Amino acid sequence: GENVEQHPSTLSVQEGDSAVIKCTYSDSASNYFPWYKQELGKRPQLIIDIRSNVGEKKDQRIAVTLNKTAKHFSLHITETQPEDSAVYFCAAARSTSYDKVIFGPGTSLSVIP
Amino acid sequence: EAGVAQSPRYKIIEKRQSVAFWCNPISGHATLYWYQQILGQGPKLLIQFQNNGVVDDSQLPKDRFSAERLKGVDSTLKIQPAKLEDSAVYLCASRKERGRYEQYFGPGTRLTVT
Repeated sequence: GENVEQHPSTLSVQEGDSAVIKCTYSDSASNYFPWYKQELGKRPQLIIDIRSNVGEKKDQRIAVTLNKTAKHFSLHITETQPEDSAVYFCAAARSTSYDKVIFGPGTSLSVIP
Repeated sequence: EAGVAQSPRYKIIEKRQSVAFWCNPISGHATLYWYQQILGQGPKLLIQFQNNGVVDDSQLPKDRFSAERLKGVDSTLKIQPAKLEDSAVYLCASRKERGRYEQYFGPGTRLTVT
């Protein structure tokens, strides 16, 4: 069945450094790739997304890249800050009759002041 | 705009007991999801409604889990009887319309089965 893998499972970076999280997906029909941030004890919130007709998207310190041929996409956070510490989930979805979304297992990011 | 509401926020029950969770999506959102999030894992879709119809319940353990969305608005998720492995956070999410993918999550219900 459909599957989304995510690496690394945990990531620690010094404040100001960059963080990169990578995901791979199995369903070649996937065409939408959102990233969610979940702070401890809180709900997941969408931080950025990308569609299959775009290779890269940026929003301030956050960027996402997509390689459809290799079926992988990545989240890049530059100039990390302590408030970036959270669990990040990638997901993949395809536009079918019901737009199913498959989430990755998550990456716990710690930004050390 | 009010967010997705869920209740209760926390629930502790013994195994073999029953439990029900309630979700009120954002007004006007046609699609509603129930996810199970086990500690340290990503959300796993249990069931998806489009208005009041089920469009995906392939991962719902139907021998013990049931869900309904009467009138295409509020939804309830029930577990009967509960097992220890059902301990998780149950997240409800809604989306405005098909083709617009952003899901808005509720605060979740943390279920502990002892």
